[in-house]
Amino acid sequence: EAQVTQNPRYLITVTGKKLTVTCSQNMNHEYMSWYRQDPGLGLRQIYYSMNVEVTDKGDVPEGYKVSRKEKRNFPLILESPSPNQTSLYFCASSLDYGNTEAFFGQGTRLTVV
Amino acid sequence: KQEVTQIPAALSVPEGENLVLNCSFTDSAIYNLQWFRQDPGKGLTSLLLIQSSQREQTSGRLNASLDKSSGRSTLYIAASQPGDSATYLCAVNGGANSKLTFGKGITLSVRP
Repeated sequence: EAQVTQNPRYLITVTGKKLTVTCSQNMNHEYMSWYRQDPGLGLRQIYYSMNVEVTDKGDVPEGYKVSRKEKRNFPLILESPSPNQTSLYFCASSLDYGNTEAFFGQGTRLTVV
Repeated sequence: KQEVTQIPAALSVPEGENLVLNCSFTDSAIYNLQWFRQDPGKGLTSLLLIQSSQREQTSGRLNASLDKSSGRSTLYIAASQPGDSATYLCAVNGGANSKLTFGKGITLSVRP
């Protein structure tokens, strides 16, 4: 089944403790991105990647890192999480840059205390 | 800067009603527009994708239209069912970094 898989689905952590949210897609998509969803603010892009080893900042990149060493994987790294990073995170992928349909993972609900 | 608006924020209708969900955007220079469904605590499920050169797309009871020049899209749901209750989001792909700009969504409740 074609899908975008995120792990974990739920995570509670403490301020400052490094964490990684994994994202994997099995559709051989070139383009991957991360969004966060917050009440009243909607979905906003954090980082994106057009292909392996090509990543760039979205609208709200502060406090996050990403890497794209393999085509299928695009982990989101929070080096020192803070409470304002408490949010619902989504990974997305599409065949390529531009005119193609975006597929989203099931989301990761992160709480930083 | 692209802005996407969905009004109203919530809608409640009786089962069986045909309904229209609206989406407007400020910059008509888009690659495509996509409608998603989000159930509580769940991910985003893609419903329909309309390319900038297209006027509409259909899937089952759903029909989405796009008027790029006026910056509007509508999602038509025929014969609504309680299972259609969810939040519906529209998103435009402006091409620059292929970022999707989302509206805040319309939470639909279909009463039995």
